[in-house]
Amino acid sequence: SQQGEEDPQALSIQEGENATMNCSYKTSINNLQWYRQNSGRGLVHLILIRSNEREKHSGRLRVTLDTSKKSSSLLITASRAADTASYFCATGGNQFYFGTGTSLTVIP
Amino acid sequence: ETGVTQTPRHLVMGMTNKKSLKCEQHLGHNAMYWYKQSAKKPLELMFVYSLEERVENNSVPSRFSPECPNSSHLFLHLHTLQPEDSALYLCASSYSAGSTDTQYFGPGTRLTVL
Repeated sequence: SQQGEEDPQALSIQEGENATMNCSYKTSINNLQWYRQNSGRGLVHLILIRSNEREKHSGRLRVTLDTSKKSSSLLITASRAADTASYFCATGGNQFYFGTGTSLTVIP
Repeated sequence: ETGVTQTPRHLVMGMTNKKSLKCEQHLGHNAMYWYKQSAKKPLELMFVYSLEERVENNSVPSRFSPECPNSSHLFLHLHTLQPEDSALYLCASSYSAGSTDTQYFGPGTRLTVL
């Protein structure tokens, strides 16, 4: 499969804690993107990291990419209840491939 | 919100009905996409249009028929669907077709086939 595969499938943390989600993929990529989806809604783009980048920050988000291991991680620091959503990685080669996502629940 | 709207938001139809899903983007993008999202499955890319021409058709059954009359509008015509076609159908757009551009998603149409 060329899709990104997120791990864990579900994650539940207390507000204020950090949340880490991982993504593994199998083919070479041009970039990797992370998206967020609130229940029953469309996906919202969070951050894009190119294959020649190792780390990228955006606000409370930190993304790393290890092309040798074909993996990426998304770290959300100081989580809030509003961060509760599903998070997807999308690997960009010839087209996008999305995984099944990580369902994050942040408990107030 | 994202500049991509979809109507209707919810649709219930019988297997013999014909209905259409509509997507409109106000972002000046040249590429538009249809995705199917079923529970516990990866998002499935169905169709890709670039400058109103279909550039990708991922082995989608013929009971799904896309139409892109211009770069701002995308339709998905549905007929004789099956219950397993029940899912969230998402439309997206991007500046160009390809994996380097961010895709902007609409809120989706929740389809239930009885």
